[in-house]
Amino acid sequence: EAQVTQNPRYLITVTGKKLTVTCSQNMNHEYMSWYRQDPGLGLRQIYYSMNVEVTDKGDVPEGYKVSRKEKRNFPLILESPSPNQTSLYFCASSLSGTGKEPQHFGDGTRLSIL
Amino acid sequence: SQQGEEDPQALSIQEGENATMNCSYKTSINNLQWYRQNSGRGLVHLILIRSNEREKHSGRLRVTLDTSKKSSSLLITASRAADTASYFCATDASRIKAAGNKLTFGGGTRVLVKP
Repeated sequence: EAQVTQNPRYLITVTGKKLTVTCSQNMNHEYMSWYRQDPGLGLRQIYYSMNVEVTDKGDVPEGYKVSRKEKRNFPLILESPSPNQTSLYFCASSLSGTGKEPQHFGDGTRLSIL
Repeated sequence: SQQGEEDPQALSIQEGENATMNCSYKTSINNLQWYRQNSGRGLVHLILIRSNEREKHSGRLRVTLDTSKKSSSLLITASRAADTASYFCATDASRIKAAGNKLTFGGGTRVLVKP
C-alpha cells in the first residue's frame, strides 16, 4: 500500500531533549516536506526536499533540522525542543516538485514539549 | 497572513444536504487543491484545479475556480455522515522551480454532517 509513515505518532518530552521524528514513503517520490499544524494557523511548511541531499527552508524553519540521505526518508530533528514547538506535525511527499500533482500525507505526529 | 482562507470556518448540515465552502487567496496561482482531514488523521487529497480551468468534478465533489476574484468553492452534494471532516484549500503559487511543490494552506472549514 502506498503510504507515508511517521513515527512516533505521539510524544511528550521536556525542553532541551533532542528528538527526531521519522518519515518514510514507499512511493519513490522525489519531493518531501514537513508541516506543522496549529489551531487557527492552518498548515505551515517547515522544510522541504526536492531530492536526495537537496533540502531548503520553508516558512517556519527556526528550531528544526532535516536531512535527506535516502530518497524514502526525511527525518525532522529538533535539537533543543522548546514549548513553542508543541504542535501537530505532518510529513508529505509528492512525485516531483513541479507543483502539478497532489501531496500524500502521513497521519501526523503530535508533539508536546513541556 | 495566509494565502488561502476558507469561509465559513464551520458548517453544520443534515445528511443529504449540500455543503458549500469557499476559499479566497491573494496572489496569482498555478493551481489550487482541496484536501480533507478527518479528526486525528493526515490530509487526503480531493481534487486539483489548474489556473486555466474553471470547474472540475469528482464524484460528489464540484470545485470552481474564479481567478479574477481569486476565489474557489468546494461543493459536496448529497452529504453523508462520513463527510464530517475539516476541508482545506491549498494554493501553489511558486514562481521558481527551486521552490518545489510548495503549497500554502488555509485555516480550513470544519464540516459536521448530522445523521
